[in-house]
Amino acid sequence: AQTVTQSQPEMSVQEAETVTLSCTYDTSESDYYLFWYKQPPSRQMILVIRQEAYKQQNATENRFSVNFQKAAKSFSLKISDSQLGDAAMYFCAYRGKPGAGSYQLTFGKGTKLSVIP
Amino acid sequence: NAGVMQNPRHLVRRRGQEARLRCSPMKGHSHVYWYRQLPEEGLKFMVYLQKENIIDESGMPKERFSAEFPKEGPSILRIQQVVRGDSAAYFCASSPGASGSSTDTQYFGPGTRLTVL
Repeated sequence: AQTVTQSQPEMSVQEAETVTLSCTYDTSESDYYLFWYKQPPSRQMILVIRQEAYKQQNATENRFSVNFQKAAKSFSLKISDSQLGDAAMYFCAYRGKPGAGSYQLTFGKGTKLSVIP
Repeated sequence: NAGVMQNPRHLVRRRGQEARLRCSPMKGHSHVYWYRQLPEEGLKFMVYLQKENIIDESGMPKERFSAEFPKEGPSILRIQQVVRGDSAAYFCASSPGASGSSTDTQYFGPGTRLTVL
């Protein structure tokens, strides 16, 4: 079974600075998707960024980018120019090979990010 | 363009009562997923449905829990004879395409927080 590990229960960053959240996963598959979701205090789950395992290029969405290391099974999220609105729980998630009956997202336990003004 | 709608947002039940949670997917989405989030945990997959069909219910408890997604109307997650351990946030997600395709990113609703007294 696939597992997702987020080893940092809590992180903090100064406003306007850069922070990196770590995620590792365990899988025997070669093709899969990885995601970062943000959960602010409102509890809404918001998709931040998505990466296909077959793509070598790291995904980027504005101030958010990932460092995807397939061999190391590592998928970290970098937030640049941190803003107060970035304060939230961040969840890393894995979904297995498309078309192979893998429907569910497997989530890590989350990293709580605080942004210091 | 309305997102995934869930209601109620908060639900309080006494032990032994029934809880019904509703989820309306995004417009154009015909695939629905339910997840449960216990305190201090990530989300755990429960069930995946398409219109009138349960595709994968491997994460559903064997007793007291059921889900449906009728041809018309929202998807319903039903919990019979609730117990205190059922207290959690229940999230619904929807996707536009068949799971396993490139268009099946899951978009989440705001969740229903169930409290069992």
